[in-house]
Amino acid sequence: DVKVTQSSRYLVKRTGEKVFLECVQDMDHENMFWYRQDPGLGLRLIYFSYDVKMKEKGDIPEGYSVSREKKERFSLILESASTNQTSMYLCASSISQGVEETQYFGPGTRLLVL
Amino acid sequence: SQQGEEDPQALSIQEGENATMNCSYKTSINNLQWYRQNSGRGLVHLILIRSNEREKHSGRLRVTLDTSKKSSSLLITASRAADTASYFCAPSRGGYNKLIFGAGTRLAVHP
Repeated sequence: DVKVTQSSRYLVKRTGEKVFLECVQDMDHENMFWYRQDPGLGLRLIYFSYDVKMKEKGDIPEGYSVSREKKERFSLILESASTNQTSMYLCASSISQGVEETQYFGPGTRLLVL
Repeated sequence: SQQGEEDPQALSIQEGENATMNCSYKTSINNLQWYRQNSGRGLVHLILIRSNEREKHSGRLRVTLDTSKKSSSLLITASRAADTASYFCAPSRGGYNKLIFGAGTRLAVHP
């Protein structure tokens, strides 16, 4: 079974701190994604990566950056955390296999920025 | 990329009843996927239906796709309390095309 793990389930940070959220997948997937989920808004894509060192902006990249130095690891970075970045963060991965890209999700990190 | 829109936003039923959730989208697709999310957890893939398929079954799940109406439905038969979750549809054009999830349908199944 595919396993996607995220470094923390819960995280509390202060405004202005630099925050790292780590995601690791063990199935050699090419594609990795970071979403945030807020009540009533569904999942919104922040960034995705389709290969090592490659990244593409999603719908809401402002205030975030990402890093993919190794195929299995995709990091989301909040350069200077703000209270409006309090949210549930979900990482996902998928294999590039023609037109069928099932995404496999991690358990999520609930981030609170004070 | 395009977003799927689920309907209804919330659904409350008794155990043993069937639950039907609908999804609409706007442009052509290669496939449409349904996901489930238990409270406070990540999403789990349930089923994928290709654009050339009209119906697909997986256990108690039945998914239909009508590309002419740009809509899909997810039916859960003989629901159980453990089916309580949010359900999301995600239309896809494949390739690097991103999946865009809507706000989902919150299903509550009461014992």
